[in-house]
Amino acid sequence: QVQLQESSPGLVKPSETLSLTCNVSGGSISGYSWTWIRQPARKGLEWIGRVYKTGTTNYNPSLMSRVTMSVDTSKNQFSLRLASVTAADTAVYYCAREVGDSSSRQFDYWGQGTLVTVSS
Amino acid sequence: DIQMTQSPSSLSASVGDRVTITCRASQSISSYLNWYQDKVGEAPKLLIYAASSLQSGVPSRFTGSGSGTDFTLTISSLQPEDFATYYCQQSYNTPRTFGQGTEVHIK
Repeated sequence: QVQLQESSPGLVKPSETLSLTCNVSGGSISGYSWTWIRQPARKGLEWIGRVYKTGTTNYNPSLMSRVTMSVDTSKNQFSLRLASVTAADTAVYYCAREVGDSSSRQFDYWGQGTLVTVSS
Repeated sequence: DIQMTQSPSSLSASVGDRVTITCRASQSISSYLNWYQDKVGEAPKLLIYAASSLQSGVPSRFTGSGSGTDFTLTISSLQPEDFATYYCQQSYNTPRTFGQGTEVHIK
């Protein structure tokens, strides 16, 4: 059974960089794309971006200037860095695995989510 | 970006009711449409992928239909564990986008 677990920085100060890591267990990080999604309180889900085992990334244009994702295959984990955070970046952050083929793509495994609060 | 619009935003229903949630895409997305169930404190759960394929382990009372721009999630007989928020999501292109969610409450 594949399991994903986000690290938890908890509190980040405005203008600083949010850093999260997602540890993947029960399966290899190879062969899939690995995604970050966030959900501000009382709002919907927002796709932040994805990273492949090769290091190839795709980011949401709305966040592209501040986002960096990477993967560490030796540790079976992937990471998110979001620079210059503001209160608007306060949210529950999820990591997820995207699988599929040419006819479908879907997030089949998710982490439990970790609340990141931006506040001084 | 492709906009996903769900309706209703919330509904109240009783155990045993048939419940239908709709999702409309701002452009055609073929069958690249997924449905998720979200409960507080739990990881979101994939229910339906490719518009109508049931994810392994998901009860058969959940069905999905539609293609192009209009999609439906149906729960044939609502069970106590089904009270949750449901999201549709398009995987036609990036950025992936979600509907705003439909909260299913106990009547």
